[in-house]
Amino acid sequence: AQSVAQPEDQVNVAEGNPLTVKCTYSVSGNPYLFWYVQYPNRGLQFLLKYITGDNLVKGSYGFEAEFNKSQTSFHLKKPSALVSDSALYFCAVATSGTYKYIFGTGTRLKVLA
Amino acid sequence: AAGVIQSPRHLIKEKRETATLKCYPIPRHDTVYWYQQGPGQDPQFLISFYEKMQSDKGSIPDRFSAQQFSDYHSELNMSSLELGDSALYFCASSPPGNEQFFGPGTRLTVL
Repeated sequence: AQSVAQPEDQVNVAEGNPLTVKCTYSVSGNPYLFWYVQYPNRGLQFLLKYITGDNLVKGSYGFEAEFNKSQTSFHLKKPSALVSDSALYFCAVATSGTYKYIFGTGTRLKVLA
Repeated sequence: AAGVIQSPRHLIKEKRETATLKCYPIPRHDTVYWYQQGPGQDPQFLISFYEKMQSDKGSIPDRFSAQQFSDYHSELNMSSLELGDSALYFCASSPPGNEQFFGPGTRLTVL
């Protein structure tokens, strides 16, 4: 069965510092991996995806993520955090043939000024 | 750019009533997904449609049904509402095999 783990409920980081939000996955077959951000009372906004190709994926708002097959991880990163990055971040996995998302439990990112 | 449209944005119902949520996907997106997000929880997949046919089914209660119409819009019908059905309901659309684009959600409150 497919599953996604986001081991941290909350991540605090100072503005201007690099941030990492962790995600590990378990799937049979090749994974399709996604990161979304959710602001309060809003829908989920797509940040980036890994389907195939380069392991380092660059996305919206300066975010990037690295696909690591051996560690089954897809951590979200940003070199310099902004206060406006404070939100709830979800990692999701899908597989070819069934494109429904399995979401992680979410990580609340708090960037401190 | 056009986005996924959901209506209504907010809905308040009594227990045992019925509710209908509507979703209008992005033009030329042929797949629609429905998710339920309870308070403080991650979104849970309910059901999806591809080219107006049900393509996948998740943890959707038997009290709920959904369909996709000829114009690709989709409706989620919920009957015999329970307090536990209170949640944010998201619709998402995508072209085949691509990332999903989410609507703003419908917040359903069951009293």
